[in-house]
Amino acid sequence: AQSVTQLDSHVSVSEGTPVLLRCNYSSSYSPSLFWYVQHPNKGLQLLLKYTSAATLVKGINGFEAEFKKSETSFHLTKPSAHMSDAAEYFCVVSARHSSNTGKLIFGQGTTLQVKP
Amino acid sequence: DAGVTQSPTHLIKTRGQQVTLRCSPKSGHDTVSWYQQALGQGPQFIFQYYEEEERQRGNFPDRFSGHQFPNYSSELNVNALLLGDSALYLCASSSRQGREAFFGQGTRLTVV
Repeated sequence: AQSVTQLDSHVSVSEGTPVLLRCNYSSSYSPSLFWYVQHPNKGLQLLLKYTSAATLVKGINGFEAEFKKSETSFHLTKPSAHMSDAAEYFCVVSARHSSNTGKLIFGQGTTLQVKP
Repeated sequence: DAGVTQSPTHLIKTRGQQVTLRCSPKSGHDTVSWYQQALGQGPQFIFQYYEEEERQRGNFPDRFSGHQFPNYSSELNVNALLLGDSALYLCASSSRQGREAFFGQGTRLTVV
């Protein structure tokens, strides 16, 4: 079975400072992992994905995440926060079913607040 | 490319009524999944359709049903609405070979 735990429900940073959003996962086999962002009253946008290639994954808007199998973690980072980064962030694991894109299992979300 | 489109964007229904939500997948995608996102929660998987059949189902009652059409578009039907069905319903499309899902903007359902 797959599951994902986001370790912080709320993170607050100042503009221009680094961002760290923490995620641990559990998977019976090699997982596909994703980070999605959701701005207020909007749908979900894919930030980045890990699918068993390079362990350091670069995404859009300067975000990146590192897959660490030994720690079962997939933390999201950004060197310098921007006001527009304020949003809800979801760590997601994919439970692949046969050869099809499997259902996505979402964490509870982390609200990122960026202070001026 | 229009991306994933959902309709309507907002809907208000009365308890006990039935509702149908619609989704058109991104061009080139043949798989559609539906998710329910309650306020302050992460999305929960309802079911997935491929080749016009339900392929996977989450932990939702039979009141939730769906359909996929030959053009890959999909509908989500909810019968006997409960107040607890109030949520944002998200549609995601993907291709059978891909591992990436693209989401629509969602339908905000309010049950009163």
